Amino acid sequence: GAVVSQHPSWVICKSGTSVKIECRSLDFQATTMFWYRQFPKQSLMLMATSNEGSKATYEQGVEKDKFLINHASLTLSTLTVTSAHPEDSSFYICSARGDRDGYTFGSGTRLTVV
Amino acid sequence: ILNVEQSPQSLHVQEGDSTNFTCSFPSSNFYALHWYRWETAKSPEALFVMTLNGDEKKKGRISATLNTKEGYSYLYIKGSQPEDSATYLCAFRSNDYKLSFGAGTTVTVRA
Repeated sequence: GAVVSQHPSWVICKSGTSVKIECRSLDFQATTMFWYRQFPKQSLMLMATSNEGSKATYEQGVEKDKFLINHASLTLSTLTVTSAHPEDSSFYICSARGDRDGYTFGSGTRLTVV
Repeated sequence: ILNVEQSPQSLHVQEGDSTNFTCSFPSSNFYALHWYRWETAKSPEALFVMTLNGDEKKKGRISATLNTKEGYSYLYIKGSQPEDSATYLCAFRSNDYKLSFGAGTTVTVRA
């Protein structure tokens, strides 16, 4: 079945630094990638949608300059949290959509900014 | 932000017992309703994609029903086993391919 590999699974960084999260589709081409964030006891909230080779579309209230999304190939999308602050500490997860209309999720990244 | 609600937030079930829980979603602009099973430190696993009002789907001991007119779906687990312990997510999909998730129902099966 379709697999999306997400790395790292957890990361601790210092306030003011940047962190990059990668999602790779291992056995299919991800034409669309969705990035979500989840705060404790809340639902997955869509942050942005990216199509291969295009600029990402951000949901209302999500700062595009803080959360940089690159989807340069059909198998790789990255989310970079720039100048991270403690309030950016959260769980981030990607979901890839390919030709078969299914949504395949990564396993998520727990980001802690200290 | 679409309002997708799941209840209860958590439940405990004795091994062998059956259980069910609810997902409610907007009844307008409906395209599909997705159910996922999510274990800690793993990727959410797709269970069902439901599109038609009255749909009923089954996968082993797990089944789901769909009512698009009133905006709800039930997930049923028959004869719960410890391996059924997980968080079950539902997600509403409108015709823009975006998924709006509920907060999940966490099921704990006691042996």
